Amino acid sequence: DAGVTQSPTHLIKTRGQQVTLRCSPKSGHDTVSWYQQALGQGPQFIFQYYEEEERQRGNFPDRFSGHQFPNYSSELNVNALLLGDSALYLCASSLKAGAPDTDTQYFGPGTRLTVL
Amino acid sequence: DAKTTQPTSMDCAEGRAANLPCNHSTISGNEYVYWYRQIHSQGPQYIIHGLKNNETNEMASLIITEDRKSSTLILPHATLRDTAVYYCIVRFYTGGFKTIFGAGTRLFVKA
Repeated sequence: DAGVTQSPTHLIKTRGQQVTLRCSPKSGHDTVSWYQQALGQGPQFIFQYYEEEERQRGNFPDRFSGHQFPNYSSELNVNALLLGDSALYLCASSLKAGAPDTDTQYFGPGTRLTVL
Repeated sequence: DAKTTQPTSMDCAEGRAANLPCNHSTISGNEYVYWYRQIHSQGPQYIIHGLKNNETNEMASLIITEDRKSSTLILPHATLRDTAVYYCIVRFYTGGFKTIFGAGTRLFVKA
């Protein structure tokens, strides 16, 4: 049973560029959430996708956008990169967004983004 | 949004029980308590969750006080591989769960 997978593992970009990160959910899961984790801090919720729509959003600017595909995989796009966007980006998948007792999130290994 | 308070760090001897406390005094009735752990630079790993009752699985036990204002995660026989940052999270339902992580407790298991 494949767990949550993310690509790429590491990425280096320069300020002003755009980046796309990818996530494949755990088999059987239909909901994907994205988090940003700066060094030494806990993960910060960016947004959640379910049924190909953004359902919940954290306190992140519009430069952060996403997409969910019919096969439940997801992309996180960040435009106009800033130095402060350097972080570990985590994807988590779950089943039936918002259903108590089934919406347990399982995390992928993350993508380490460095902005120079 | 209910917030959680955890000790910054704790030590535990290998083979002993590790008891990690969490305060969530503003928790409301429909909010679940979840525990995750994160080993250096890996994705957080789900451990256990509960609403009102105590819970146990193959990894740990979760003890929630009767007033639900605090909880304790118990690792019954800590090993060196349990050294990690442990996050206590209160997840609230708003048509979907939003998960707010705090700073967590850094647990050091020592030989």
